[in-house]
Amino acid sequence: EAGVAQSPRYKIIEKRQSVAFWCNPISGHATLYWYQQILGQGPKLLIQFQNNGVVDDSQLPKDRFSAERLKGVDSTLKIQPAKLEDSAVYLCASSLANRGLAGWQYFGPGTRLTVT
Amino acid sequence: RKEVEQDPGPFNVPEGATVAFNCTYSNSASQSFFWYRQDCRKEPKLLMSVYSSCNEDGRCTANLNRASQYISLLIRDSKLSDSATYLCVVGAWGNFNKFYFGSGTKLNVKP
Repeated sequence: EAGVAQSPRYKIIEKRQSVAFWCNPISGHATLYWYQQILGQGPKLLIQFQNNGVVDDSQLPKDRFSAERLKGVDSTLKIQPAKLEDSAVYLCASSLANRGLAGWQYFGPGTRLTVT
Repeated sequence: RKEVEQDPGPFNVPEGATVAFNCTYSNSASQSFFWYRQDCRKEPKLLMSVYSSCNEDGRCTANLNRASQYISLLIRDSKLSDSATYLCVVGAWGNFNKFYFGSGTKLNVKP
């Protein structure tokens, strides 16, 4: 079974620039998550989709971050404009459903973002 | 108070030792509990939930104490390959699962 795919793996940008990350979840997984992991910390949930609908974006800094999953399969996360504190690994995860044990999550390799 | 708290470590142990990771959570309505393993510069990988065993060789077990809102992961006969950061994850089921990650405990197994 293919895992969660993410691209790019690494990105270096200057502050105030824009950046976009892409994620393709495991086939058939209805739930998709974007996490931000700052060095030395656990992943922090940014947004959770169930199919193409948002179920939780309470921790997404909406003034600069946006995400979409238009067809309920792959997803993009955008930062515009980036700040130095956005330097982190952005992890995408998917799960079969968003309830119960079907909510076990499988993570992609992440995109390491450095903002200079 | 953080939703999930862990000792960041590092724990430095000799090969063959038994090591225990502890985790406390603040939401008494939490219903799902997981341990993930994260190798350096890699993504988290699901290790186990409290309901199932964690690896094929049976060296690790997890315990849940709901009254104390405390879960633990025990690894016996630790191996060099067990060196990683161990993430505690606690989930609450409402209209949808909401997961909270601890900051992780780093384990260094020494020969």
